[in-house]
Amino acid sequence: SAVISQKPSRDICQRGTSLTIQCQVDSQVTMMFWYRQQPGQSLTLIATANQGSEATYESGFVIDKFPISRPNLTFSTLTVSNMSPEDSSIYLCSVTGKETQYFGPGTRLLVL
Amino acid sequence: GIQVEQSPPDLILQEGANSTLRCNFSDSVNNLQWFHQNPWGQLINLFYIPSGTKQNGRLSATTVATERYSLLYISSSQTTDSGVYFCAVTDSWGKLQFGAGTQVVVTP
Repeated sequence: SAVISQKPSRDICQRGTSLTIQCQVDSQVTMMFWYRQQPGQSLTLIATANQGSEATYESGFVIDKFPISRPNLTFSTLTVSNMSPEDSSIYLCSVTGKETQYFGPGTRLLVL
Repeated sequence: GIQVEQSPPDLILQEGANSTLRCNFSDSVNNLQWFHQNPWGQLINLFYIPSGTKQNGRLSATTVATERYSLLYISSSQTTDSGVYFCAVTDSWGKLQFGAGTQVVVTP
């Protein structure tokens, strides 16, 4: 199994600002995933972060808005840039195990 | 892409009741998982079940891959079972696609 921690757990931000979310895994993993869960909705994949290469973004998500870093095999950051109220969501970091997917506790973001 | 549909969207249960949640998917999958998201947002994997039946305590799941559906059974429900239950499948690109979820509320 994998234990994932995220920082911050929650934040309230002003529109136009940026927030960087950190994700730490207790074991080395090749791929890390970032998901967004808008209020009352399901999870949507933002991007896949591989160590040593550029992140791969899903349709509707761009690097300028959601830059991702992956400096090593246990850590990744997601930045939500130039925030608007529509960015208010839970952001979750995830890794793949042998047969399952493990998720961090999430970062609850409210943009005013 | 692959479509994942869950039903019902909402479910209210009295403590002790049994229930069945359904997940239909539009294409063959290599991987199907059930997750529970508690009221605090934590997402926990319940089952990895691409086919067959598995049981874990009061929960069990069955996937009939040839007919493209999976069922999650909750027996003798407890208030701690409240939350959202998600079905997710891995598509041909290896990415996890989630259904819309079933919101379950178990009342005392």
